[in-house]
Amino acid sequence: GAVVSQHPSRVICKSGTSVKIECRSLDFQATTMFWYRQFPKQSLMLMATSNEGSKATYEQGVEKDKFLINHASLTLSTLTVTSAHPEDSSFYICSARGTGRSPLHFGNGTRLTVT
Amino acid sequence: GENVEQHPSTLSVQEGDSAVIKCTYSDSASNYFPWYKQELGKGPQLIIDIRSNVGEKKDQRIAVTLNKTAKHFSLHITETQPEDSAVYFCAVMNSGNTPLVFGKGTRLSVIA
Repeated sequence: GAVVSQHPSRVICKSGTSVKIECRSLDFQATTMFWYRQFPKQSLMLMATSNEGSKATYEQGVEKDKFLINHASLTLSTLTVTSAHPEDSSFYICSARGTGRSPLHFGNGTRLTVT
Repeated sequence: GENVEQHPSTLSVQEGDSAVIKCTYSDSASNYFPWYKQELGKGPQLIIDIRSNVGEKKDQRIAVTLNKTAKHFSLHITETQPEDSAVYFCAVMNSGNTPLVFGKGTRLSVIA
C-alpha cells in the first residue's frame, strides 16, 4: 500500500536554530501534501497545505515565515522550522494523497524538542 | 466551515467486547469519512474509510456505518484485542484536495 516516509523521526535542537523535516511519498506521486502539528493528547492541527510547484497555503495563525514549506517535486515536501523556540516543540506529521480518490496517508511524525 | 464532534473521548472495554465510536459533522456536502488509528509516538494509520454513496463498510473486525441524513458515522470494532488499544480519530472531507477535518480523538483501552 501507499507509504509516506518522514524524516527525521526525532530531533533535538537549540533555541534559535532551524530544523528541516522531510516528507516523501514512496510509491505514489503526491500532488498535495499536508502538514499537521499535534500537541500531547490532542488532535491533529492543520498547519498548511502544500501543492507541488506552487506556494503553500497556510492556516490562520500559522506564520509562513517561521514554518517554511517547499514542495519541489511530486514525491517530496519539506517543512523548515526557522529560528526555533521551546514553544515550537511538538509532534509534526505530514500526510500525502495521490491523484483521484486516493486516501490520505500519514508519515510517522517528527518529534521536535527545542532546548 | 466543517465541524466534527467525536464521542466518547475515552473508552475502556474488556477484551472480546465490542467498541463503538461516533462522530457527527456539520457540512452536508462532506462525502468522505476515514478513520485513523494512532499508536503512541506514531503517525495516524488509515484503518477504514467510507464514501457518501455507501451506508456501511466492513473489513474483518472493523466496520463503519454512515447516516448522511443525520450527519453521523460510527466506527465499530468487534472482538476487541489488547492491540486495538490506541487513539482513534474520525475525519471528514468534502472534495478531492481539501484538507481533512479531524475529530478530537478517542482513547480506546482494551483490558485483558
